[in-house]
Order: sequence, then structure tokens, then C-alpha cells
Amino acid sequence: DAGVTQSPTHLIKTRGQQVTLRCSPKSGHDTVSWYQQALGQGPQFIFQYYEEEERQRGNFPDRFSGHQFPNYSSELNVNALLLGDSALYLCASSLTGKNTIYFGEGSWLTVV
Amino acid sequence: KNEVEQSPQNLTAQEGEFITINCSYSVGISALHWLQQHPGGGIVSLFMLSSGKKKHGRLIATINIQEKHSSLHITASHPRDSAVYICAGRPGAGSYQLTFGKGTKLSVIP
Repeated sequence: DAGVTQSPTHLIKTRGQQVTLRCSPKSGHDTVSWYQQALGQGPQFIFQYYEEEERQRGNFPDRFSGHQFPNYSSELNVNALLLGDSALYLCASSLTGKNTIYFGEGSWLTVV
Repeated sequence: KNEVEQSPQNLTAQEGEFITINCSYSVGISALHWLQQHPGGGIVSLFMLSSGKKKHGRLIATINIQEKHSSLHITASHPRDSAVYICAGRPGAGSYQLTFGKGTKLSVIP
């Protein structure tokens, strides 16, 4: 079992560009959550996807959008990148009704 | 003030020492997670508890729901325990987002 896999692991973008991060959940999991972790801070909840719908959203602007596919994999899109978007983006998967959560290794985004 | 507060922020211990990391929260939660994050960034879930105490190897986690406080203990600490430990509250029914503390950076010196 590969667990939660994220890609890419590292990337550098320029201000104003757009980025897409990808996440494959642990086998059998149907729920994907995305988090942003700035350096030295705890992760902040961006949103959660279940059954291809955004189920809940944290306090992030509309520049942050996502998608979940029928195979439960998910994408996080960020438009009009700002320097402050530089962070580690974590994906976590779980199975609805169960409390166990698994995290991926994260995608390190640097905006220059 | 953060809804989930951890202390200490940084902790240096000698190998073999008993370590305690504390987590206090001001929001209503149904359960609390203790997580371990290594320098590469990946997070591993150590415990999820809603009451009492759980033990796994040298790690022990306790929670007091009435006092809104949880502790993570590491017995006989080892340099491989060096990591950032994060507590995260799971809200009650109707909400799915975890609220995280800022983490405690633990360094265990041989």
C-alpha cells in the first residue's frame, strides 16, 4: 500500500503564475483534505473533498480551488500566486466515518 | 490567541530522559490527534484519542476533556525521536477540519 502520495515534491513558481498540486489518497480512502503549512507554523485547513464535492472550506481566498476525481484523487489549484503562498502543502486522506487520517509527504512550493 | 496552544515550543533533552509535551485547546473538540513531523515534511499520525490514555511503545498520550488539555509523553527518549510534534483538534459533528497547534520541536541529544 503506497499510502498518500503527492506530486510534485518541490517546485518554484513566479508571482502571478498558477500551480496545480496532486494527491492520491491511501487505497480505500474516499476523503481528501488539503492543508497549507508556512515555515514554523502548524498546518492550516484549506478545504476537504468528498464524493467529488468540496465539503468544507477554511479561511482561504477563491484563488485556492480544488477538485476530486472519481478515483478519489485530488488536485489543489492556486491562481495568481503571491510570495506569501510559499509553503508546504499537505494532503491527507481518510475514510468517511473513520477517524484515522494519513498524510502525504507534502509539496514544497516556493514563489519568487 | 490560537485555539490550540502547545508548550514548550522548543525542547532539548538528553537521550534517556522522560519528555512531556502539552496541548491546551479553547475550542470544542470530539477528539485530538498527536502527529509527528520530520524535517522532510511528512506527517505521521501517532494517536487519536477522545478520552483517557493511549500507549504505543515508548509513547503515551493522555487527554482530559473537561480541562481541555492533552499531553504526549515519551519515555527513554532517543535521538530518533527528534522531530516536531503537533497536536490537532478534531471538531464535533458537522465539521471536518482539524485545528492544529504550532508544534513542539524536540531535539534529543546522544
